[in-house]
Order: sequence, then structure tokens, then C-alpha cells
Amino acid sequence: DSGVTQTPKHLITATGQRVTLRCSPRSGDLSVYWYQQSLDQGLQFLIQYYNGEERAKGNILERFSAQQFPDLHSELNLSSLELGDSALYFCASKRQPNTEAFFGQGTRLTVV
Amino acid sequence: DQQVKQNSPSLSVQEGRISILNCDYTNSMFDYFLWYKKYPAEGPTFLISISSIKDKNEDGRFTVFLNKSAKHLSLHIVPSQPGDSAVYFCAASARDGQNFVFGPGTRLSVLP
Repeated sequence: DSGVTQTPKHLITATGQRVTLRCSPRSGDLSVYWYQQSLDQGLQFLIQYYNGEERAKGNILERFSAQQFPDLHSELNLSSLELGDSALYFCASKRQPNTEAFFGQGTRLTVV
Repeated sequence: DQQVKQNSPSLSVQEGRISILNCDYTNSMFDYFLWYKKYPAEGPTFLISISSIKDKNEDGRFTVFLNKSAKHLSLHIVPSQPGDSAVYFCAASARDGQNFVFGPGTRLSVLP
């Protein structure tokens, strides 16, 4: 158990809909990262938050947004969903730079 | 343009032998490197890391070697066990310790 909790584990939704993925980082970790893994691909970095503020942005679509709340949990909002958004979405957290990040179990999103 | 490359999509090794997984990177600002292991339907699990000030780091059966001049790192698993069968991701981060850039992964199969 990495200590990072993601909910829900699975999500099936229709095209055009909006969903929210939730992540609770390990206790004490201020940094939260979101990654997307499409079918058998590598992990693509989406966005990072540190202590409530956006710190770095990767290949995140404009239809996607995220935030980190005062209790440090984070949410990834995906809107106007398309079939191609079907993927595993992982959240990771870490304590400080140049240390490992710990990943949650992921949310499998299926857009039909 | 992929900044972290794992040119072998898959590797098969006999149980008890050495597994060598390779990773190349292009960004000279990377100074911290990690290996993650991923089983199906689970999040990536941290395995081992190395800072650019070292050229080798060892943890039990796992050793990571870093060749900065060649921008190459490798993960050695000795002896390989069937439970090591998984997808292995190489990741790198730059000096400011922000997001990790992941390679596409290598699927290791350890045959009994």
C-alpha cells in the first residue's frame, strides 16, 4: 500500500460528459502529480500541485483541469469527454525534490 | 520528442539469470533517475533511484548504473525471479525536482 488513495477505481461515462477524479496523497506529502496512461503507453505527465498551487504543467488538455485543496487532496476534472480520453489516470505524491514519488492504484476511465 | 527512451518494448529472461533493462535520455538537465515496476491494474511501484552524483546504486537484487556521458542508465536484476515479471519504467527529473518524465516501459518476462 503506497499510502496514496484514488477514487473511484473505475468509471464508465458517455462522450460529452464531465467527471471528477479524486486523490488523497500520503500523509505529509505536499506535492501531487497527475499522470495519464493510455492503452499500453507510458505515463504522460499532466499537472503538478504543491501545497495548493499549480507548480508544473505537462500535456494537459484545456478540457482538463485540476486543483489541490487546503487538506492537500487533489481533484482532476475532465470535461467534454471524448473516446480518446479513455485511459488510466494516476495520482502520485512526494515529500520533497529528488525523492521518489508514490503512486495510487489509478482510476480507469472508460468513455463510451 | 521523447526525452526518456526505453528501446526494448519487451525482454524475456530465464529464472535465476540476470535481467538488464536499458534506458537512454536526451535532456542534460536531468539529474535524478528512478525505476518503477508496474503490475497490471496496479499503480507503479518505486524500485530504486540514483542521483547524477553517483554512477551506481544497489539495493538487494537490484542495481542501477548511470553513465552520464552516454546519457544512459540500466537496471540489473540478479537473480531474476518469476515475480519480477512486470513492466519496468525508467523516469527522470531535472535539477528543480519537479515532474518525472517517464519512458515507454519495458515488459520483463521471467520464465521459470
